[in-house]
Formats: sequence, structure tokens, C-alpha cells
Amino acid sequence: DGGITQSPKYLFRKEGQNVTLSCEQNLNHDAMYWYRQDPGQGLRLIYYSQIVNDFQKGDIAEGYSVSREKKESFPLTVTSAQKNPTAFYLCASTNSGLRNTEAFFGQGTRLTVV
Amino acid sequence: RKEVEQDPGPFNVPEGATVAFNCTYSNSASQSFFWYRQDCRKEPKLLMSVYSSGNEDGRFTAQLNRASQYISLLIRDSKLSDSATYLCVVSAREGSGTYKYIFGTGTRLKVLA
Repeated sequence: DGGITQSPKYLFRKEGQNVTLSCEQNLNHDAMYWYRQDPGQGLRLIYYSQIVNDFQKGDIAEGYSVSREKKESFPLTVTSAQKNPTAFYLCASTNSGLRNTEAFFGQGTRLTVV
Repeated sequence: RKEVEQDPGPFNVPEGATVAFNCTYSNSASQSFFWYRQDCRKEPKLLMSVYSSGNEDGRFTAQLNRASQYISLLIRDSKLSDSATYLCVVSAREGSGTYKYIFGTGTRLKVLA
């Protein structure tokens, strides 16, 4: 079955460490997105990518980095520069070449700094 | 101004009430519109697309007002199970020919017994 997979589901990080969140999709979607969600809050865009080897900053990119070496994969690195990284991280993908296609989300990664 | 804006809420309504959410968008070239539902600690899932003529799915009605650049979601006869966050999503065609999807930050709904 086609879908979008995030791993791990739960992640614990020590202060000062970099961690990488995985997002993989087999839907043949061109566009992929990373969002951050804090408790009781909405989604805030971190980075997005419309094609391989290209990505753009969203509203809260500071302290994060991404790569898009393959169409299927869009990993997010939370660096030590991100001062408050504890949050729920969601990855999404869309077929950016089609007008009315829906966006699909992964199940999310819950990151906690310990 | 954000590209897609929603009132974060929360909207607290009694069971059986009718509640409406609006979502405004800034790009007049936006072409597709959606409402997503997100339950606590879960990923968002598509609730319904929004068509130009408006559309209904059971107790849910979605409307699009292009002139004023907003979409709305109306929920009739609210159920406890409707408690969730409702996300507005807008897509617009970019110069490259691809469609960029912009998600609102969501509106929280709490239906009270």
C-alpha cells in the first residue's frame, strides 16, 4: 500500500545533540513538507520541497536543516541551534502537479529533549 | 500577513449546536481548497474538499467565497466526537507549473456534553 512513513515515532534527545527525523513516501509525490506542532497549537511550516535537490524555508526554519536527494525521502535534522525542539513533527506530501489532490501526512514523530 | 489564516479557537459548543469556522487566504490565484481534521496526538486527515459551488457531506457543509477570499466549514448537530482541530488547506499554482499547498494553523473545536 502506498503511504508516507515517519520514523521514529518517539525520539529523545539530549541538549546539544543533533537528531534526524526520517520521512519516506512511496506515493510518487513531488512535494514534501515538514511541520512542527506544539501542544494545543496549530501546524507551523519548517521547510518544504517541490522537487529533488531543491527546498525552501518555511516560517520557522531556524535551527533545522533538510535535504532532498531522492524524491521519496525528505529527512529533517533538528540541530543544537534549535533552542526549544520538544514538539510533535509532521511530514506531509502532495502531488504538486495535480490541482485537486489531497495531502497525505505521516503519523508524526514526537521529539522530547531530556 | 499569513497566506492562510484561521482563528485558533478554541470554540466550545454544546452538543447539538451548529458551529462555523472561516479561513481566509491571501493569494487570489489559489485554486484548490480543503478541510482537514486532526485528532489529539494524531496526524491530520482529509475531511472534505471545497468546491466552487459549495458542497455538503452529512452534517458538514463547505463553502468557498472567492470574492472575499475565504472558505468556511459549517458543522450541524455537533457531536462529542467532532471535538478536534480543523485545518484549512489552500493550493495555488506556481510559475513552475507545480501546486504549492499552504496549511492553516488550525481551529480547535470542543463539543461539550
